[in-house]
Amino acid sequence: DADVTQTPRNRITKTGKRIMLECSQTKGHDRMYWYRQDPGLGLRLIYYSFDVKDINKGEISDGYSVSRQAQAKFSLSLESAIPNQTALYFCATSDTGLADRLYFGPGTRLTVT
Amino acid sequence: AQSVTQLGSHVSVSEGALVLLRCNYSSSVPPYLFWYVQYPNQGLQLLLKYTTGATLVKGINGFEAEFKKSETSFHLTKPSAHMSDAAEYFCAVSGLDSNYQLIWGAGTKLIIKP
Repeated sequence: DADVTQTPRNRITKTGKRIMLECSQTKGHDRMYWYRQDPGLGLRLIYYSFDVKDINKGEISDGYSVSRQAQAKFSLSLESAIPNQTALYFCATSDTGLADRLYFGPGTRLTVT
Repeated sequence: AQSVTQLGSHVSVSEGALVLLRCNYSSSVPPYLFWYVQYPNQGLQLLLKYTTGATLVKGINGFEAEFKKSETSFHLTKPSAHMSDAAEYFCAVSGLDSNYQLIWGAGTKLIIKP
């Protein structure tokens, strides 16, 4: 079974709708991240959480919110989706060392029409 | 602020040829350096990383990278390309400048010609 899972894998939604992307991990890691990938822009950090009670904004948090329901679960919400939020979204986890690697989920492809 | 530059959004090589993907970074202090690979329709996975010590780092699938502090570079190489190497490759840097958050390059798509 995959260490980091994301649901849904694909989603098409309309402008103005609320949508939630979910992430679960079995790595036992405290740290979890949400990234957005756009062609030619690499990955950009939306939110990150170092433990259940610690949530931090990344470089592009506007229009997004998150919830850390448990050590293993970290969800990303778009309160009112807009077309420029069409992108590939990745959840990732890591251990607590400064140079620890990230473990990525398979991604959610979101299209906002 | 830290930044990462990957030269070439697309690199095309013939099967069996040398692969060279370039990564340069800006940082005022020695950083941690990473290469990740993304195969089609998959998440990213770690190829290799440099933290301290030996500047030539070996990774999975025959890839290696060399940290050159004087050139602020961390180029990725593989002596002989295989069709299965076709993927997108991302260089990333973290360090004191970024509060140890990863700063990502824009990615280089590697195309392997038969």
